[in-house]
Amino acid sequence: DIVMTQSPLSLSVTPGESASISCRSSHSLLKSTGNKCLAWYLQKPGQSPQLLIFLASNRASGVPDRFSGSGSASGTDFTLKISRVEAEDVGVYYCMQTLQPPLTFGGGTKVEI
Amino acid sequence: VHLLESGGDWVQPGGSLRLSCTVSGITFSGITMSWVRQAPGKGLEWVSSIMGTDGSTQYTDAVKGRFTVSKDSSKNALYLQMNSLRVEDTALYYCAKDLRPDVYWGFDSWGQGTLVTVSS
Repeated sequence: DIVMTQSPLSLSVTPGESASISCRSSHSLLKSTGNKCLAWYLQKPGQSPQLLIFLASNRASGVPDRFSGSGSASGTDFTLKISRVEAEDVGVYYCMQTLQPPLTFGGGTKVEI
Repeated sequence: VHLLESGGDWVQPGGSLRLSCTVSGITFSGITMSWVRQAPGKGLEWVSSIMGTDGSTQYTDAVKGRFTVSKDSSKNALYLQMNSLRVEDTALYYCAKDLRPDVYWGFDSWGQGTLVTVSS
């Protein structure tokens, strides 16, 4: 199984500043199509998860452009960046590899203001 | 798109439950649907999927042979039959829809979850 490792475990940010979350995969998530098979989710307190980013760098519908995703050329290191953090961005962020089943999630990064 | 799970309950170890997920706002046939669970206070765990293109099914090892995912396109419904339940199956179970019918890209719609508690 592909193991996803997130860091940090938690992050305290000031509104208006930027924040970055890292996700490392035990296996390259680079597909033959050139796609990097990684998604990012945010689970706000008491809510279901919501998709932020798919294929490493594509924002899901309705996601503000303050959220951006990137991945290394090797397909093992990924970053979610939140620019100009707002109070509504609090919650737990998860990465998930979508390359192959079993789909696996990172352990989560809790973002607090 | 709206997903609504039901069927969660308290059950003793070894028991069975069937979860349902009703999908509205989208043509159900041809979409890939998944079950994801979250144990109390823990992270997310993918459980199972049924592909939109060919109806093939996939499971995490922890539930293989005990859980069965299925769908009824005429009812816009997704199911998860859970047998031989274990204490470690206790979790909030979400159904989720993938962006694509043929490959996994990410789950862009989620239900609110249904709680399964396995305890004696």
